[in-house]
Amino acid sequence: DTAVSQTPKYLVTQMGNDKSIKCEQNLGHDTMYWYKQDSKKFLKIMFSYNNKELIINETVPNRFSPKSPDKAHLNLHINSLELGDSAVYFCASSQIDRGFWDGYTFGSGTRLTVV
Amino acid sequence: GNSVTQMEGPVTLSEEAFLTINCTYTATGYPSLFWYVQYPGEGLQLLLKATKADDKGSNKGFEATYRKETTSFHLEKGSVQVSDSAVYFCALEDNAGNMLTFGGGTRLMVKP
Repeated sequence: DTAVSQTPKYLVTQMGNDKSIKCEQNLGHDTMYWYKQDSKKFLKIMFSYNNKELIINETVPNRFSPKSPDKAHLNLHINSLELGDSAVYFCASSQIDRGFWDGYTFGSGTRLTVV
Repeated sequence: GNSVTQMEGPVTLSEEAFLTINCTYTATGYPSLFWYVQYPGEGLQLLLKATKADDKGSNKGFEATYRKETTSFHLEKGSVQVSDSAVYFCALEDNAGNMLTFGGGTRLMVKP
């Protein structure tokens, strides 16, 4: 199946731990994103990579570090987890061509719960 | 900067009722506009889009028209079904970075 896939789907962890979320897309897209969705469903962009290069880095604590080993993967590592990090994290991808852009394809999300 | 404002939900309707979810935007230039839908426990899916003024996007009985004069992109459906229950997000393309700016989402609940 062509898709954006995220793992894990659910992640429950204690405060202070370090965790990673992985994202892979097999759509051949050149740009990938991480969004955070809070409990009120509000979506906020965190990072964007184009061909492995960081192009968007919103105001996010530096405990969050994205890593893109190749243009098909964008992982999110979070250090020293805090209660406020509990949210659903969505990965997305898109293909940005001159004169054409068709929005994002989203992964199904990772629900992170920090206890 | 760019922003998208949606009506707050939840919107509760009976099956076969008419749906309107309002969306207005603030942006420079002429961004592309999108509606995404998020079903419970799932990621967002593209519902429809419009890329220029007066374009009408449509899909699965849903429609939205890009109105430059009112900076709006309201979502409509003539007869909703229980299966349309979801959260709907209006979004616009940010020309600066080719990213999407989302509205706050509107939860739709359709009762039989």
